Amino acid sequence: AQRVTQPEKLLSVFKGAPVELKCNYSYSGSPELFWYVQYSRQRLQLLLRHISRESIKGFTADLNKGETSFHLKKPFAQEEDSAMYYCALNQGAQKLVFGQGTRLTINP
Amino acid sequence: DTGVSQNPRHKITKRGQNVTFRCDPISEHNRLYWYRQTLGQGPEFLTYFQNEAQLEKSRLLSDRFSAERPKGSFSTLEIQRTEQGDSAMYLCASSLEVRAGEQYFGPGTRLTVT
Repeated sequence: AQRVTQPEKLLSVFKGAPVELKCNYSYSGSPELFWYVQYSRQRLQLLLRHISRESIKGFTADLNKGETSFHLKKPFAQEEDSAMYYCALNQGAQKLVFGQGTRLTINP
Repeated sequence: DTGVSQNPRHKITKRGQNVTFRCDPISEHNRLYWYRQTLGQGPEFLTYFQNEAQLEKSRLLSDRFSAERPKGSFSTLEIQRTEQGDSAMYLCASSLEVRAGEQYFGPGTRLTVT
């Protein structure tokens, strides 16, 4: 079965420290992965797509098919990065399968 | 276009009552999705439409749940004979078919069944 696993429900780091939010997936086809973010009192929104290999707000994510991972990284955390982060798999170009989410808190 | 909108934002109902939620997607998006989110969980897929056709329904969607998108624009999600386990945030999202993974979400409707 297709599944997305985010092993950390909570992650707390200090401002300026590196951040890595883990995401592992299981999928029999060619995966298309995303990171979505939800800031406090805002709606869920797209942060990154693995296909575009872009950096958004300093975040990057690399798809590692060998390890079936798509970890989200940022070298220097900022307080405004505090949010709920969800890794998502586009299943069959039809629907998103989300992980449970990781709440990231950046301490000043 | 101000993005995906959902109404109502909050709904409190008694067990056994029927409720209906509405979603207005981004106008040029032909795909519309419904998800359910409970506390501590990520959104779970319920169903999706391409234009007016409902193409997939999750096993989570019992026969008490029905969704429509009659003219390929707005959609409604109805829950009949609500149960306490239906309490959740119901999220609507829309996308272009060719960019199905890039979904734009509404603010959600929080349902509380007492």
